[in-house]
Amino acid sequence: GQNIDQPTEMTATEGAIVQINCTYQTSGFNGLFWYQQHAGEAPTFLSYNVLDGLEEKGRFSSFLSRSKGYSYLLLKELQMKDSASYLCAVFSGGYNKLIFGAGTRLAVHP
Amino acid sequence: DAGVTQSPTHLIKTRGQQVTLRCSPKSGHDTVSWYQQALGQGPQFIFQYYEEEERQRGNFPDRFSGHQFPNYSSELNVNALLLGDSALYLCASSWWGTATNEKLFFGSGTQLSVL
Repeated sequence: GQNIDQPTEMTATEGAIVQINCTYQTSGFNGLFWYQQHAGEAPTFLSYNVLDGLEEKGRFSSFLSRSKGYSYLLLKELQMKDSASYLCAVFSGGYNKLIFGAGTRLAVHP
Repeated sequence: DAGVTQSPTHLIKTRGQQVTLRCSPKSGHDTVSWYQQALGQGPQFIFQYYEEEERQRGNFPDRFSGHQFPNYSSELNVNALLLGDSALYLCASSWWGTATNEKLFFGSGTQLSVL
């Protein structure tokens, strides 16, 4: 079966660092995406990992371990605008077909 | 360069009715995928269209159908609406000719409420 797990909610303080974990069990793997989604809006692309290791992009970094079926998204220097849902998604099997986790709602407090 | 556009933004229907949602892909894209996102959940894949044909389908009943037009735009139709069909419907576009790691571009979605 297809299963992607991530924490339901997290809270953090402005200026701090937060790590959002994602574990997956899928019938195939062609890459892992992280998307950010504000309430009522479209998901927006944050990062893509297909090989093991860390990908850094400004305040955001994403890590992948294919052998462990594990990824994390690291957000540094948190800002209030980072309060949103963060979706972990895997390309599994079919072409350009994403399997999403339920999302992690992050609340950033002053 | 216009991104992915969806219409309408909001829609209210009653049980048993039928609904049609529309999507125009990002310029240069030829593949459209539809996702359903229930409140508090991640998007669920409904189906995907390329060259006016349904190429892949998720675990959704036949009440959900679609169409793609020669200009690559797409429609999602849902018949015999149920309360459980209330959700945000997202359209995502991509280019079939790229490798499988092409990121999807999402529209802002249509919020469907079934009363």
